[in-house]
Amino acid sequence: DVKVTQSSRYLVKRTGEKVFLECVQDMDHENMFWYRQDPGLGLRLIYFSYDVKMKEKGDIPEGYSVSREKKERFSLILESASTNQTSMYLCASSLAGTGYTGELFFGEGSRLTVL
Amino acid sequence: QQQVKQSPQSLIVQKGGISIINCAYENTAFDYFPWYQQFPGKGPALLIAIRPDVSEKKEGRFTISFNKSAKQFSLHIMDSQPGDSATYFCAASMDAGNMLTFGGGTRLMVKP
Repeated sequence: DVKVTQSSRYLVKRTGEKVFLECVQDMDHENMFWYRQDPGLGLRLIYFSYDVKMKEKGDIPEGYSVSREKKERFSLILESASTNQTSMYLCASSLAGTGYTGELFFGEGSRLTVL
Repeated sequence: QQQVKQSPQSLIVQKGGISIINCAYENTAFDYFPWYQQFPGKGPALLIAIRPDVSEKKEGRFTISFNKSAKQFSLHIMDSQPGDSATYFCAASMDAGNMLTFGGGTRLMVKP
């Protein structure tokens, strides 16, 4: 069974703290994504990676960075957390070149609260 | 700027009824339209998807209707069940790639 695991389900951080969100997939997928989920706004893409050490900005990259040192692991970094980054963060992965399939496999999410 | 607009934001349907969720898009280059289903505490999962060369796709009780000229597509859930209670997201992408643009989501509640 395919699996995307986000290490932290719930986090509470203070403004200005550095935050790491970790994601691991066991499907040997090339593509990995970080989305942010907010009520009424759906899922918005923060960053994605199509290969190790490669990264591309999504729609809302400001205030975030990412790291992909290994194929199976994709980390989201908040260098200095702010209250407007309180949200649900979803990691996803997919096969490269899946054509019209393009299925994303999501983790269960990390709910971050910044005080 | 939301390129895929989804309505309604929330929907309550009686068991056995038809649930209808609508999406409209602006970018005519979009050529892949999936729907994702998300249960509480879980990540979204692909439910059903359609390409613009067909006007309808049915999988069990779930049907996507697609209107290319109107740039709209919708999800119909027939004989809705309490187990269908979830948040549904429409999405669109272009060039058959993985870069999906999601709608705002619809929280569906099916009452017993």
